Amino acid sequence: EDQVTQSPEALRLQEGESSSLNCSYTVSGLRGLFWYRQDPGKGPEFLFTLYSAGEEKEKERLKATLTKKESFLHITAPKPEDSATYLCAVQDNANFNKFYFGSGTKLNVKP
Amino acid sequence: KAGVTQTPRYLIKTRGQQVTLSCSPISGHRSVSWYQQTPGQGLQFLFEYFSETQRNKGNFPGRFSGRQFSNSRSEMNVSTLELGDSALYLCASSSEGGTEAFFGQGTRLTVV
Repeated sequence: EDQVTQSPEALRLQEGESSSLNCSYTVSGLRGLFWYRQDPGKGPEFLFTLYSAGEEKEKERLKATLTKKESFLHITAPKPEDSATYLCAVQDNANFNKFYFGSGTKLNVKP
Repeated sequence: KAGVTQTPRYLIKTRGQQVTLSCSPISGHRSVSWYQQTPGQGLQFLFEYFSETQRNKGNFPGRFSGRQFSNSRSEMNVSTLELGDSALYLCASSSEGGTEAFFGQGTRLTVV
């Protein structure tokens, strides 16, 4: 079965301290890899979709990249409002109506 | 464009009762998926509906069921509630052939 592993489980950063979150995946045929942001008590908010190795997408302080086995979410000069749980999910070509989610990385950015 | 709407936002039920949750997808989206989110298990897929038909199902007991109406609205039902069913239930909608799924705010179910 498809699997998604995210690391670290939790990350504490000082404001302005850049870092990366990792999402490694095992899927028979990747249809898409997705990044979501989730604030406490709320539903996940869509950030990016990546489809093929080498692809990159950016939004404000966030940049997502994809290789054949993993994806990184780079956070440049984070601010306290970037604090949230970041979720990674994959779809495979054989079963694209279903997302497989990782357990998430809880990011805390201190001012 | 309105987002995905889930009702109610919060529910408290007693063990053994049954519950129905509702989800209205983004206008024009015909695929609706349901997920259970708990601190220990993360987001787990329940089932997905498209044009009133269940296309995919996760590994949950038969107490969990759903349906979709002709206007794409979906309901999820859990019968004979157990304490372990306490969770945030999330609904997501996507367009036909689309890849991105957009989530609602969820229904927080507490079973006491």
